[in-house]
Amino acid sequence: AQTVTQSQPEMSVQEAETVTLSCTYDTSESDYYLFWYKQPPSRQMILVIRQEAYKQQNATENRFSVNFQKAAKSFSLKISDSQLGDAAMYFCAYRSAMNRDDKIIFGKGTRLHILP
Amino acid sequence: EAGVTQFPSHSVIEKGQTVTLRCDPISGHDNLYWYRRVMGKEIKFLLHFVKESKQDESGMPNNRFLAERTGGTYSTLKVQPAELEDSGVYFCASSQEGGPWYEQFFGPGTRLTVL
Repeated sequence: AQTVTQSQPEMSVQEAETVTLSCTYDTSESDYYLFWYKQPPSRQMILVIRQEAYKQQNATENRFSVNFQKAAKSFSLKISDSQLGDAAMYFCAYRSAMNRDDKIIFGKGTRLHILP
Repeated sequence: EAGVTQFPSHSVIEKGQTVTLRCDPISGHDNLYWYRRVMGKEIKFLLHFVKESKQDESGMPNNRFLAERTGGTYSTLKVQPAELEDSGVYFCASSQEGGPWYEQFFGPGTRLTVL
């Protein structure tokens, strides 16, 4: 069975600085997708960034980028130029590319605080 | 376009009572998913509907949980009778099609507290 591990329950970063959230996963599959979701306080969870396992190039979305290390099964999220609106719970997630298995597997989450 | 909505936002019930949670997916989304996050733990998959059919219910914890999606539109998740360990946040998500290349859009969740 696939698992996702986020070892940092909470992190803090100064506004305008850069922060990296860690995530490792375990799977025996070769084809899958990895995600980072953001859930601001009292708001719904939104997709921040997605990485297809077959792509070697790391995904980037504006200030958000990932470091995908397939052999090490590591998928960290880097947030550059942190802003107050980045304060949220961040979930790392896995999704199989097998059609019959459509569920998302989440880590426990990392709560990110932005210090003004 | 309206997002996924869930009702109620909070529910507090006594152990042994029944609670029904509702999810309205994004219009036109055939795929509807239920997830649950128990305090301090991972968000876990409960089940997946395609239209009105249950595609995968492997995450349903036991037979006290009943999910329905009559007519393939909104879905309900009933817990009867509720137990203390059922407390948590219940999320609903919907997607236009199945498969990881189609984004699952999440609702705000229903926070259930069983006393």
